[in-house]
Amino acid sequence: GAVVSQHPSWVICKSGTSVKIECRSLDFQATTMFWYRQFPKQSLMLMATSNEGSKATYEQGVEKDKFLINHASLTLSTLTVTSAHPEDSSFYICSARGGQDRFEAFFGQGTRLTVV
Amino acid sequence: QKEVEQDPGPLSVPEGAIVSLNCTYSNSAFQYFMWYRQYSRKGPELLMYTYSSGNKEDGRFTAQVDKSSKYISLFIRDSQPSDSATYLCAMSRNSGNTPLVFGKGTRLSVIA
Repeated sequence: GAVVSQHPSWVICKSGTSVKIECRSLDFQATTMFWYRQFPKQSLMLMATSNEGSKATYEQGVEKDKFLINHASLTLSTLTVTSAHPEDSSFYICSARGGQDRFEAFFGQGTRLTVV
Repeated sequence: QKEVEQDPGPLSVPEGAIVSLNCTYSNSAFQYFMWYRQYSRKGPELLMYTYSSGNKEDGRFTAQVDKSSKYISLFIRDSQPSDSATYLCAMSRNSGNTPLVFGKGTRLSVIA
């Protein structure tokens, strides 16, 4: 299957600092990428949808100024958690779909963020 | 009513058993159906994907879609301890740039 690479796999940061998470589609052009947040033993919660070259669409209740999403190319999307606080600690996962010719969505390995 | 319903389990079976995992959905516009396996602290891994109704088999896994009943299933034959994970069903209306709608996931334990 297609490969989506997410980096870093885990990060610990101090409260008030910003953290950037990268998501790359390695072998296909991802016209659309999705960012999810997952709490322990819970399902995936969609945060935002990003299309290459345009602004991300955020789900209701997700602060767009706190969770900055950039999708500058067909293979790279980034999520920046700005001014992180302990309540932002979570598991963040990206996903990519390749457009009309393939409908499956592929996921990155996830990033465990701990804010201390 | 949630768009996709999935029993969260946990489901515990002995090694070698046939496992049946199911989801029901309410939106008749869904056409694309996927099953993912997620191990603890890892991203979901695509197991099976189907378009519209019918069956699809891949090794020990069989996916079934019954659009008339709005019901999808994943069967795992000869289950192994390594199959112990959370299984998520997912679906969407189209193949393009819309997000998938997920079930809550079923936690499966296969006991050796």
